[in-house]
Amino acid sequence: AQKVTQAQTEISVVEKEDVTLDCVYETRDTTYYLFWYKQPPSGELVFLIRRNSFDEQNEISGRYSWNFQKSTSSFNFTITASQVVDSAVYFCALSRGSSNYQLIWGAGTKLIIKP
Amino acid sequence: DVKVTQSSRYLVKRTGEKVFLECVQDMDHENMFWYRQDPGLGLRLIYFSYDVKMKEKGDIPEGYSVSREKKERFSLILESASTNQTSMYLCASTTFYWTGDGNTIYFGEGSWLTVV
Repeated sequence: AQKVTQAQTEISVVEKEDVTLDCVYETRDTTYYLFWYKQPPSGELVFLIRRNSFDEQNEISGRYSWNFQKSTSSFNFTITASQVVDSAVYFCALSRGSSNYQLIWGAGTKLIIKP
Repeated sequence: DVKVTQSSRYLVKRTGEKVFLECVQDMDHENMFWYRQDPGLGLRLIYFSYDVKMKEKGDIPEGYSVSREKKERFSLILESASTNQTSMYLCASTTFYWTGDGNTIYFGEGSWLTVV
């Protein structure tokens, strides 16, 4: 069965610290997609990244970076030099097979950045 | 800009009431979804629709029904609301015909439903 585990329920750090959010997934599909979304207090889900199973290159976008390792079935997300505006709930999700829209979601990690 | 609009942001309903949550998208997307979000459980799929008048059950359809009479509109119906349906409800839409590495799923802002 497919599953996404975000073991960290809540993380609290002081501004400017680096923080890594863990995501471990289970699937038997050979083709799949992994996603990260941010949900600020306003509630709307904000897309951060989509990565396909054949692309294990790490991705960097400004202060955000993602580390995809198929060997450990992990897709971790790191924020460098965190800011208060990064405070949100972050979700990792896995596609059901090669579908781009039928997703299985992790429980989310609440990130609190203290000034 | 892409837009998914949920008609109500906050609702308070009584047990046993019939509740309608409306969602409209302006992107001509084929697929629309209703999710329920609860703390510690992430998002769980209630129903989805891949075409007008077509619907399929998601992971937690019990106590809900849906309607899609027009391509742009997808309604979630609670026939008889119960307190355990107090939650945040998110609508989403996607297309079959996506390209590139960008976003593929667009979400509304969510509807916070409290059943008392």
